Amino acid sequence: GAGVSQSPSNKVTEKGKDVELRCDPISGHTALYWYRQSLGQGLEFLIYFQGNSAPDKSGLPSDRFSAERTGGSVSTLTIQRTQQEDSAVYLCASSLALSRFPGEQFFGPGTRLTVL
Amino acid sequence: GNSVTQMEGPVTLSEEAFLTINCTYTATGYPSLFWYVQYPGEGLQLLLKATKADDKGSNKGFEATYRKETTSFHLEKGSVQVSDSAVYFCALSSLYSGAGSYQLTFGKGTKLSVIP
Repeated sequence: GAGVSQSPSNKVTEKGKDVELRCDPISGHTALYWYRQSLGQGLEFLIYFQGNSAPDKSGLPSDRFSAERTGGSVSTLTIQRTQQEDSAVYLCASSLALSRFPGEQFFGPGTRLTVL
Repeated sequence: GNSVTQMEGPVTLSEEAFLTINCTYTATGYPSLFWYVQYPGEGLQLLLKATKADDKGSNKGFEATYRKETTSFHLEKGSVQVSDSAVYFCALSSLYSGAGSYQLTFGKGTKLSVIP
């Protein structure tokens, strides 16, 4: 079946602009995670969704970052007033909420964001 | 908090050599442990996992044993191939108290290059 998809695959933007990154999880996966992969910081957790609610936003680096999920499926990560330090690969992952192996997450290919 | 430390790369080996990538962790409770692999130009893929002490995860000739006494989960392969060239990430997951999040905490990754 289809895996996790993300769009766009690449995004180049100017400092100060807003960007939206999209994630389509595997059908039926109720848990959805956003991570950020950057050279300096490695892979960092950003936010977790269970259904449409986000009980764990502890990894969002600032209030410029927000995310939503609708219909228990597609999620959008929005970064307002982008800064150069936001440049990174943004990864989305999904999993079954009642997975026998908690934490077994399936990752999308990522969106490479470059802020000029 | 949770943390994962893995050996710095890059690691360069000749084909058929023995591979060890060290990984140690710090976590509260009883985490699940994972190795993810990222092949060039591709997304993160789960390589193997272990959910409790003394479990051995294995896949594609790779193995890792969950050692609670040494808080380690070292990755090994007896004979590497050129196709194993990739970045390998050690990770752990434990239930985030109160939020139901099995967010992954990653090591910084080890780049493996296998030469013919």
